[in-house]
Amino acid sequence: KQEVTQIPAALSVPEGENLVLNCSFTDSAIYNLQWFRQDPGKGLTSLLLIQSSQREQTSGRLNASLDKSSGRSTLYIAASQPGDSATYLCAVLNEKLTFGTGTRLTIIP
Amino acid sequence: EAGVVQSPRYKIIEKKQPVAFWCNPISGHNTLYWYLQNLGQGPELLIRYENEEAVDDSQLPKDRFSAERLKGVDSTLKIQPAELGDSAVYLCASSLNGGSVDTQYFGPGTRLTVL
Repeated sequence: KQEVTQIPAALSVPEGENLVLNCSFTDSAIYNLQWFRQDPGKGLTSLLLIQSSQREQTSGRLNASLDKSSGRSTLYIAASQPGDSATYLCAVLNEKLTFGTGTRLTIIP
Repeated sequence: EAGVVQSPRYKIIEKKQPVAFWCNPISGHNTLYWYLQNLGQGPELLIRYENEEAVDDSQLPKDRFSAERLKGVDSTLKIQPAELGDSAVYLCASSLNGGSVDTQYFGPGTRLTVL
């Protein structure tokens, strides 16, 4: 059974700093890995999708990497802004999409 | 383009009562998903539809939960009777064809409180 772990569970950083969120998974036989953002009381918004054959994806200030062999992914956020405050979830797809428990990020103005 | 629409957004019921949630996916999306999200947890898949066929319902508690997607578009998820432990957010998502390159688009969810 696929298990996805995200560390830390919560993170607070001052505005402007760069930061890294971590995700690990137990079964490396995945099709893809996705990073989502969830704002309070709202659904999930897909940020980046990395295919199993890819090593990274970039969108604006976001960069996600994937090391399938070690079962790890990171989401790098550059020059953080208060609007980045949200819960970030990673999810891996094999038979189904399995989510981690998320990292609650707070950017301090 | 409209996103995934869900209603109601909030529902409060007494235990043992029935409840139903409705989802309208993004136009043209063949694959529809229902997820359950408990507080502080990631979403967990309940059921996945390809058009009107339920292709993965292994995580759906079939003694009290049911779902349908009669015309391959809108879907309804029902709980009867509801239990205290069913209090959670129920999320609907859709994707173009459910393939490995498809992104799932999520609705805002229905927050259910069972008293």
